[in-house]
Amino acid sequence: QSALTQPASVSGSPGQSITISCTGTSSDVGGYNYVSWYQQHPGKAPKLMIYDVSNRPSGVSNRFSGSKSGNTASLTISGLQAEDEADYYCSSHTSSSTRVFGGGTKLTVL
Amino acid sequence: QLQLQESGPGLVKPSETLSLTCTVSGGSVGSSSYYWGWIRQPPGKGLEWIGSIYYSGSTYYNPSLKSRVTISVVTSKNQFSLMLSSVTAADTAVYYCARERTTAPGYDYWGQGTLVTVSS
Repeated sequence: QSALTQPASVSGSPGQSITISCTGTSSDVGGYNYVSWYQQHPGKAPKLMIYDVSNRPSGVSNRFSGSKSGNTASLTISGLQAEDEADYYCSSHTSSSTRVFGGGTKLTVL
Repeated sequence: QLQLQESGPGLVKPSETLSLTCTVSGGSVGSSSYYWGWIRQPPGKGLEWIGSIYYSGSTYYNPSLKSRVTISVVTSKNQFSLMLSSVTAADTAVYYCARERTTAPGYDYWGQGTLVTVSS
């Protein structure tokens, strides 16, 4: 299985919105509504931010939202805050009942 | 509150077998509601899914690692473990254990991670 494709980096100013894309295939992202997104700060374990494409776990800010179109999923962060600066990873269920991660995107808040 | 804790050697020699254990507290690895997984992250790089196990013993492995990986569960100790054979320097990484709900794929609880270095 190949890693999902994410942009290496994105940036935005406080208060702005940014979107991170995650492209896979019909065997993973496009075939199932089982895309999740993780936030990882340096030296910390990843934190689940979105599951099932667009659902937020309890306690996650509603500034984080997810969507999917075809083989590409997206994470949007609105009202950017300094604390949002982190690495973000997407993940998907696959047709082999395995999981695959994206390569990660570094978000810089300018 | 659910907690997961990885344990095992921090240094493994090339060609040997890496063995890690994840101890779960505040929850049960015997629950039918969850999968228990291993994910790793080489220094400065991204996350890589290694595999997962269900309480029944059913396992799922990353195809690229499948020939070298074994994940098992010990419900009596509330633990699950990872064995990775024939390691090389490329297996040097922070190894995380994590929990995933069967009804909503996504790892909602993670251990703090443990660094395993492969070196002679």
